[in-house]
Amino acid sequence: QLQLRESGPGLVKPSETLSLTCTVSGDSIKSRSHYWGWIRQPPGKGLEWLGSAYYNGNTHNKPSLKGRVITSVDTSKNQLSLTLTSVTAADTAIYYCARHSTTVTGPLDVWGQGTLVTVSS
Amino acid sequence: QSVLTQPPSVSGAPGQRVTISCTGSSSNIGGVYDVNWYQQLPGTAPKVVIFGNKNRPSGVPDRFSGFKSGASASLVISGLQVDDEADYYCQSYDNSLGAWVFGGGTQLTVL
Repeated sequence: QLQLRESGPGLVKPSETLSLTCTVSGDSIKSRSHYWGWIRQPPGKGLEWLGSAYYNGNTHNKPSLKGRVITSVDTSKNQLSLTLTSVTAADTAIYYCARHSTTVTGPLDVWGQGTLVTVSS
Repeated sequence: QSVLTQPPSVSGAPGQRVTISCTGSSSNIGGVYDVNWYQQLPGTAPKVVIFGNKNRPSGVPDRFSGFKSGASASLVISGLQVDDEADYYCQSYDNSLGAWVFGGGTQLTVL
């Protein structure tokens, strides 16, 4: 059974870099049929897609984040990574990783449990 | 403000039917892009309940149905149950933003 699990620091200081990892088990991240994405949810608010990566290194990140987001996959470890630079309090959120198909409107069909990241000094 | 517009809340009594709307534009729902719907129970990750406008994943009851017309989509839940109380989000792709986009979410209360 496919499972995704996010990991990383729960507290990051303002202006620093947030780095998270998503470990995929039960399937290979080298699936040609899927992208692997990051979505976040500020406390009490809605969902926001941040970026997605494909096993061959292709990525598609949210343009409005102006280059702050970097997504990548490590096929040797079956992991997906998120890097978010120059964080502020507005980046405090639950961060989820999820799988979606390569078709642009395919659903996010498998999600991790999420990890809370707080930006505070 | 979300690109896809949903009502903040809806409610219904057990056994009733509720409809959650999702309104977009020609660059997303009104174009060639399908709509997916997610249910988020308190304290849990979202789960897809409708994909491709109207399709149910295995395990989702047929009480859940989806529709799309023009630049709008709807999620209909019939035979409401207490366990349906959750937040619901629509999602699509927006080609002017170059991004996957979500609606702001609708909180369903089962009275």
